[in-house]
Amino acid sequence: GAVVSQHPSWVICKSGTSVKIECRSLDFQATTMFWYRQFPKQSLMLMATSNEGSKATYEQGVEKDKFLINHASLTLSTLTVTSAHPEDSSFYICSARWTMRGYNEQFFGPGTRLTVL
Amino acid sequence: DAKTTQPPSMDCAEGRAANLPCNHSTISGNEYVYWYRQIHSQGPQYIIHGLKNNETNEMASLIITEDRKSSTLILPHATLRDTAVYYCIVRDPNSGGSNYKLTFGKGTLLTVNP
Repeated sequence: GAVVSQHPSWVICKSGTSVKIECRSLDFQATTMFWYRQFPKQSLMLMATSNEGSKATYEQGVEKDKFLINHASLTLSTLTVTSAHPEDSSFYICSARWTMRGYNEQFFGPGTRLTVL
Repeated sequence: DAKTTQPPSMDCAEGRAANLPCNHSTISGNEYVYWYRQIHSQGPQYIIHGLKNNETNEMASLIITEDRKSSTLILPHATLRDTAVYYCIVRDPNSGGSNYKLTFGKGTLLTVNP
């Protein structure tokens, strides 16, 4: 299957700082990428859908000014958690969609563990 | 996408077959059954998918009932490394423009015991 990478795999930051997480599709171009968040013992919750060259679409209850998403190329999307607070500590997972003649699949990154002190 | 129902947890002895059920009674004709799993602190991993015929790959087998209202994921010889949350999702891979969203339910926590 296709490979999606995330960087960093984990990060610890102080409250009030901003953290950027990168998601890359390594062997295919992804016009659409997705960002999920997962709290302990819970399922993945979709935060936003990111389309290359346009603004991201956020799910209800997700603050777009706090979670900045940039999808500047077909292989890279970034999520920036601005002014992070302890409640933002979570496991962030990106996913990239591979499309061929209308058929599509989603491939997931390994996740980024964010801990805000 | 059609909704799926899975048991919250299951146990399996190492070396034995693990059979994970999934109900999807409202599945539509164009929707496939997909299985992913998530090992602790990792991203979801694709396992297998199928439309109506049974499928097998190097990881697992997928048995879909004739009416397609339920399916079973079979891990033929479970190992300790198969301990994970298994998600059953139904979706149409040929639909969904830029707004299509893959959503996850709670899945089944499979614990493989020594």
